[in-house]
Amino acid sequence: TQLLEQSPQFLSIQEGENLTVYCNSSSVFSSLQWYRQEPGEGPVLLVTVVTGGEVKKLKRLTFQFGDARKDSSLHITAAQPGDTGLYLCAGAKLGSNYQLIWGAGTKLIIKP
Amino acid sequence: GAVVSQHPSWVICKSGTSVKIECRSLDFQATTMFWYRQFPKQSLMLMATSNEGSKATYEQGVEKDKFLINHASLTLSTLTVTSAHPEDSSFYICSARDRPGSTDTQYFGPGTRLTVL
Repeated sequence: TQLLEQSPQFLSIQEGENLTVYCNSSSVFSSLQWYRQEPGEGPVLLVTVVTGGEVKKLKRLTFQFGDARKDSSLHITAAQPGDTGLYLCAGAKLGSNYQLIWGAGTKLIIKP
Repeated sequence: GAVVSQHPSWVICKSGTSVKIECRSLDFQATTMFWYRQFPKQSLMLMATSNEGSKATYEQGVEKDKFLINHASLTLSTLTVTSAHPEDSSFYICSARDRPGSTDTQYFGPGTRLTVL
């Protein structure tokens, strides 16, 4: 069974601090997506990383895909209250139908 | 681009009734759609994978006779919760991906909150 371990599951920090969320697996993924979800809404795609070692930046968010395509991280610089939400990582299984393996999610709260 | 809609956004029904949820890809053709269930403060749980024109593939533990999935066109998939009971109350989310050859990215609908009384 492919698993994707996401940590931390909960994080509450002050505005202006930096943070990193990790997703780790023993399995190789063809790609990995990061989503953000607000209560009562569907997940919204933030980024897709495909190449081992790839780094993508989205304003204050930096996403990295491990060289072996087994792990990924999300780093937020100078967090703001608007960053509050549930962050989910999901790895695409190698093979057909492109099913996603989901991390447990990180509930992030940024206090003003 | 890549917009997925769901209807209804919320529904309240009596126990024993059936509820149909629609998932539409608005600006692309989706050969594959996925149905998820999400409990409060938890991650998404895949229920089934739906391919256009063929029977859905259900995950272990998901009753196919209770959760009927139809993917009749490249832009529409429906999930029908038959004879709903309070334990079926949940947040149901669909997602869709582009034709083969595109990335593995799934685009999600806004979700449907089902409450069974």
